[in-house]
Amino acid sequence: DSGVTQTPKHLITATGQRVTLRCSPRSGDLSVYWYQQSLDQGLQFLIQYYNGEERAKGNILERFSAQQFPDLHSELNLSSLELGDSALYFCASSDLGGADTQYFGPGTRLTVL
Amino acid sequence: EDQVTQSPEALRLQEGESSSLNCSYTVSGLRGLFWYRQDPGKGPEFLFTLYSAGEEKEKERLKATLTKKESFLHITAPKPEDSATYLCAVQGWENYGQNFVFGPGTRLSVLP
Repeated sequence: DSGVTQTPKHLITATGQRVTLRCSPRSGDLSVYWYQQSLDQGLQFLIQYYNGEERAKGNILERFSAQQFPDLHSELNLSSLELGDSALYFCASSDLGGADTQYFGPGTRLTVL
Repeated sequence: EDQVTQSPEALRLQEGESSSLNCSYTVSGLRGLFWYRQDPGKGPEFLFTLYSAGEEKEKERLKATLTKKESFLHITAPKPEDSATYLCAVQGWENYGQNFVFGPGTRLSVLP
């Protein structure tokens, strides 16, 4: 158990809908990262937050957004969902904002029908 | 641009048959190289961090080594429970404070 929690574990929704994925980092970690992993692609970095502020952006679509709250939990919002958004979404956390070891949560499996 | 490749793509071993996985990287000044293990449908599990060429780290049947251009994950006398996908990631000093770059992984199967 990495100490990173993600909810929900599974999410099934329809095209065009909007969903919110939630992540709680390890106790004491200030940085949260979001990744997408689909069957035909490896781990794709989406976005990083450090202590409430956006630190880095990767291949995140405009339909996706995220935020980190004062209690350091983070939410990833996915809107206008398409079939291709079906994937595993992972959250990771680290204690600082730099090249520190990232600890991953169990993931949320999103299925868009 | 930082890049990571891993080979082989897939590897099948008999229980007890030792082997090595390769991670080749291109990065502008290596800040850290990370190895993870991922089981199907689960989150990556941290194994090792290596920071400089010549560094080695061990954990049970696994040993990670690092050179200036690549890293190896040596698996000694593997067991079926070592079956998983092994991921390598790097971060360079130029994008310090930003994301990891992950390789595609090596899918390891250990047969009893």
